[in-house]
Amino acid sequence: DSGVTQTPKHLITATGQRVTLRCSPRSGDLSVYWYQQSLDQGLQFLIQYYNGEERAKGNILERFSAQQFPDLHSELNLSSLELGDSALYFCASSADPALKGNTIYFGEGSWLTVV
Amino acid sequence: GENVEQHPSTLSVQEGDSAVIKCTYSDSASNYFPWYKQELGKGPQLIIDIRSNVGEKKDQRIAVTLNKTAKHFSLHITETQPEDSAVYFCAARGQTGANNLFFGTGTRLTVIP
Repeated sequence: DSGVTQTPKHLITATGQRVTLRCSPRSGDLSVYWYQQSLDQGLQFLIQYYNGEERAKGNILERFSAQQFPDLHSELNLSSLELGDSALYFCASSADPALKGNTIYFGEGSWLTVV
Repeated sequence: GENVEQHPSTLSVQEGDSAVIKCTYSDSASNYFPWYKQELGKGPQLIIDIRSNVGEKKDQRIAVTLNKTAKHFSLHITETQPEDSAVYFCAARGQTGANNLFFGTGTRLTVIP
């Protein structure tokens, strides 16, 4: 158990809908990352937050957005869903990036199926 | 941005043999290279990592080597066991400060008993 908690574990929704994925980082970790894993794309970095502020942005679509709240949990919002958005979405966390030994720990993921 | 390539995509070995997975990266500024193991239905789990000021690191049956000049790094698993069967991902850390990782496409390792 990495200590990173993601909900829901599985989600099935229709095209055009909007969903929210939730993540609680490891206790004490300030950074949260979101990754998308699909069969043909591997693990793609979406976005990183550090202590409530956006820190880095990867291949995140405009239909997707994220935020990190004062209690450090994070949410990934996916809207106007398309079939191609079906994937496993991982949240990960790490301590202060300025510290050495800054390991990134992954949660178990949220399986999203768009039908 | 950083581009990480990983080979092979699949690898089958007999139990007890060694397995080697290789990765290359594009950004010479990358300074941290972790390896993750992902079992079916689970999230990636860190198994070993190496920083750019070190050429080799070993942890029991697992070792990682780094060649900064050639911009490639490798994972070596010796005395493989069936429980080593999983998908392995290499990664490289992007720009300093952001700490986000860029992953290779993964290697599915099968250890045949």
